[in-house]
Amino acid sequence: RKEVEQDPGPFNVPEGATVAFNCTYSNSASQSFFWYRQDCRKEPKLLMSVYSSGNEDGRFTAQLNRASQYISLLIRDSKLSDSATYLCVVYNFNKFYFGSGTKLNVKP
Amino acid sequence: NAGVTQTPKFQVLKTGQSMTLQCAQDMNHEYMSWYRQDPGMGLRLIHYSVGAGITDQGEVPNGYNVSRSTTEDFPLRLLSAAPSQTSVYFCASRTPGQANYGYTFGSGTRLTVV
Repeated sequence: RKEVEQDPGPFNVPEGATVAFNCTYSNSASQSFFWYRQDCRKEPKLLMSVYSSGNEDGRFTAQLNRASQYISLLIRDSKLSDSATYLCVVYNFNKFYFGSGTKLNVKP
Repeated sequence: NAGVTQTPKFQVLKTGQSMTLQCAQDMNHEYMSWYRQDPGMGLRLIHYSVGAGITDQGEVPNGYNVSRSTTEDFPLRLLSAAPSQTSVYFCASRTPGQANYGYTFGSGTRLTVV
């Protein structure tokens, strides 16, 4: 079983839409959680950490559900520039485990 | 600050050849890692280091060696290249105790083994 699982998508949404991604993780002892963004043929870049109480950064909201072992990312008012692959990342015991990513295409 | 620098950006090898992928960081990060990224597989950890002189295996270490003689450098050696090692390789670094800040990645090396 993979440590982190994501729906690969693609999610095709119009500009201005709200879109949500989920990701599940297998190790209940996981300590930290992140969303990374990866543009085509580029390196992953940290989008936001995910805290137990949930957190927001502008149009982006991340939630953690430890009981069900999933994290989510909500993007409001999608922009063309949000088109990318979003990687779910889980940290435990000095190692980061990456999901295979969810592709988002925002269309005009 | 340059951050994490990887060289080369692209490389084509013949089966059986060896080579070293270079990684250097100027942020004084103690932790460094090598990942490979394949379509549909996500990033998989090859080797990692928690400080100079200390390395350990990750999820997919076979066919690769690493060393960490300085804090700044963490080269990845392919001993005898195989087509299965065709991939995009990322080096990453971070400061210990700041797991909530995640990793800083280099721009990657695209390797093709023919």
